[in-house]
Amino acid sequence: QVLLVQSGAEVTKPGASVKVSCKASGYGFTTYDLNWVRQATGQGLEWMGRMNPENGNTAFAEKFQGRLNMTRNTSVNTVYMELSSLTSEDTAIYYCARGSGSYEFWGQGTLVTVSS
Amino acid sequence: SYVLTQPPSVSVAPGETASLTCGGNNIGDKSVHWYQQKPGQAPVLVIYYNTDRPSGIPERFSGSNSGNTATLTLSRVEAGDEADYYCQVSDSFSDHRVFGGGTKLTVL
Repeated sequence: QVLLVQSGAEVTKPGASVKVSCKASGYGFTTYDLNWVRQATGQGLEWMGRMNPENGNTAFAEKFQGRLNMTRNTSVNTVYMELSSLTSEDTAIYYCARGSGSYEFWGQGTLVTVSS
Repeated sequence: SYVLTQPPSVSVAPGETASLTCGGNNIGDKSVHWYQQKPGQAPVLVIYYNTDRPSGIPERFSGSNSGNTATLTLSRVEAGDEADYYCQVSDSFSDHRVFGGGTKLTVL
């Protein structure tokens, strides 16, 4: 079955960076885009960006331009999301989700806490 | 950037029909997808490409999209349908995606 398994919770300080991984299994890794969506406590879903694992092409929401990066390692079927210059407003659950239009499969979420 | 507008909350009695709207400029020209999210869980896709249901989603869930409004309709609402619902759009002319602010469905 399709599984997206994310790395564990992170606690980090303002100004630092965080890198979260999303390991895919149960399907052809390069067949579908992988997206990152975040959700602050009590808030809605926010699309951050997406990557085509086949060619590495990315698209980022304007809000995150300049401090968001996505990479992949096709040998281990994993996509990475790195967010830099963190502030307390980046404290949220970060999800990876598979798809180009709709997202049928989601990771379990990774809580990132930014605190001094 | 493209903006999607959802009412913050909708209440409905069990057995009744709930209509959850998602407004956007000419949203009828785009593909709309709907997600259900219960507390502490990842979102679940309930409608994709305006009207299609993933396997396992009850027929009570249906969608429509025209003009400036897309609608998720839940028929014969059950207590277990109580959740937050988010719309999301995609189109072939943009690499970017956006979610609506979400609607909290309360079953009275």
